Amino acid sequence: QSVLTHPPSASGTPGQRVTISCSGSSSSIGSNYVNWYQQLPGTAPKLLIYKNNQRPSGVPGRFSGSKSGTSASLVIGGLRSEDEADYYCAVWDDTVSGPVFGGGTKLTVL
Amino acid sequence: QVQLVQSGAEVKKPGASVKVSCKASGYTFTNYFIHWVRQAPGQGLEWMGIINPIGGTTSYSPKLQGRVTMTRDTSTSTVYMELSSLRSEDTAIYYCARGVEYNLPEDYWGQGTLVTVSS
Repeated sequence: QSVLTHPPSASGTPGQRVTISCSGSSSSIGSNYVNWYQQLPGTAPKLLIYKNNQRPSGVPGRFSGSKSGTSASLVIGGLRSEDEADYYCAVWDDTVSGPVFGGGTKLTVL
Repeated sequence: QVQLVQSGAEVKKPGASVKVSCKASGYTFTNYFIHWVRQAPGQGLEWMGIINPIGGTTSYSPKLQGRVTMTRDTSTSTVYMELSSLRSEDTAIYYCARGVEYNLPEDYWGQGTLVTVSS
């Protein structure tokens, strides 16, 4: 069982804004930065957001991240059909001295 | 260009061991840590451990401690992950990924290696 909590699913229509949350604890999100990964069906995860709100080169600006206290959020603006994927948050957890991943949120574009 | 290329799929019997390789190219091998992350069928991502290519120091998930061993060969820029005493629950896709800090996997991931444990 993950120590990071995601909603298992989310959905939206093209053009909509969708928010995916990730809830942790004082020893995880409360103390360390969060990364977000996108996993398209049948492919390896791809880094989407690093250090809470930084976008790697090539990631569109409609993806943004934020962190407050023991929670983090990924916002996808202007939803597109190709955004249909699984999204995971990850953070270093001081309790286990290693990274932990959220259980993942399956995003459906209606 | 940066690449992490993993070895091919494996089928193993319960109790056996498996060794998966991850060959790095396109960057200075010793500048990045390598993580191993696995994903059981239909499940989420699970961190297995990390290796520092400088010196080969490792840190493993408490869940897998005692069964997992990560090593590296700097002459070939290759990292290895060996998992022993395999059971059916170890059936998964195994990924390597690099990270510049001793923290989270980052920008480049291997293509994944499917390990199937079945009698």
